[in-house]
Amino acid sequence: DTAVSQTPKYLVTQMGNDKSIKCEQNLGHDTMYWYKQDSKKFLKIMFSYNNKELIINETVPNRFSPKSPDKAHLNLHINSLELGDSAVYFCASSPWPEEGTDTQYFGPGTRLTVL
Amino acid sequence: GQSLEQPSEVTAVEGAIVQINCTYQTSGFYGLSWYQQHDGGAPTFLSYNALDGLEETGRFSSFLSRSDSYGYLLLQELQMKDSASYFCAVRVGSNYQLIWGAGTKLIIKP
Repeated sequence: DTAVSQTPKYLVTQMGNDKSIKCEQNLGHDTMYWYKQDSKKFLKIMFSYNNKELIINETVPNRFSPKSPDKAHLNLHINSLELGDSAVYFCASSPWPEEGTDTQYFGPGTRLTVL
Repeated sequence: GQSLEQPSEVTAVEGAIVQINCTYQTSGFYGLSWYQQHDGGAPTFLSYNALDGLEETGRFSSFLSRSDSYGYLLLQELQMKDSASYFCAVRVGSNYQLIWGAGTKLIIKP
């Protein structure tokens, strides 16, 4: 069974469109994250949710909004897509601060291309 | 501010040993993690150090010195499949912020 899953794996869309990426984890973790990885491979935390409460909100444009219907899901909605949004987006979950470790379990990633 | 530094690229020979360093300037340090990422793949967890010392997992070891704000990942008996990017990440601050390094690309030559 996949621990952290994301859909879609690839997303190609036009500038100005609105799109969503879904993420689900079956690990029972309390904390989930969204990361953006650009072409230079920098991993940037965009959001994290702990028990459905936003606990980190990095300086991302408000066109990006996380939505968590329950503890196992953290979806990412993006409005008015721009060329600079093209990147790979990773969802991750973590047992932090439980279990004495800080392991992040990453989903396979969603490669977003904005044309 | 909080910062993390690691080399952008390291080259080594198959079968050799390589060390990837990570230095940090932070307040309220909780622990340091290492991740491996192959091209086109997702980051995968390698190790976590919260206390000083060496943690060993097979061919990989990770070391932390909290007093020196320094850690490293040691890879032994390098194999071609170890060619990847390696990221260090630290948990810091009163709000338990997670900060990532820019990654080290490990190139292994036969």
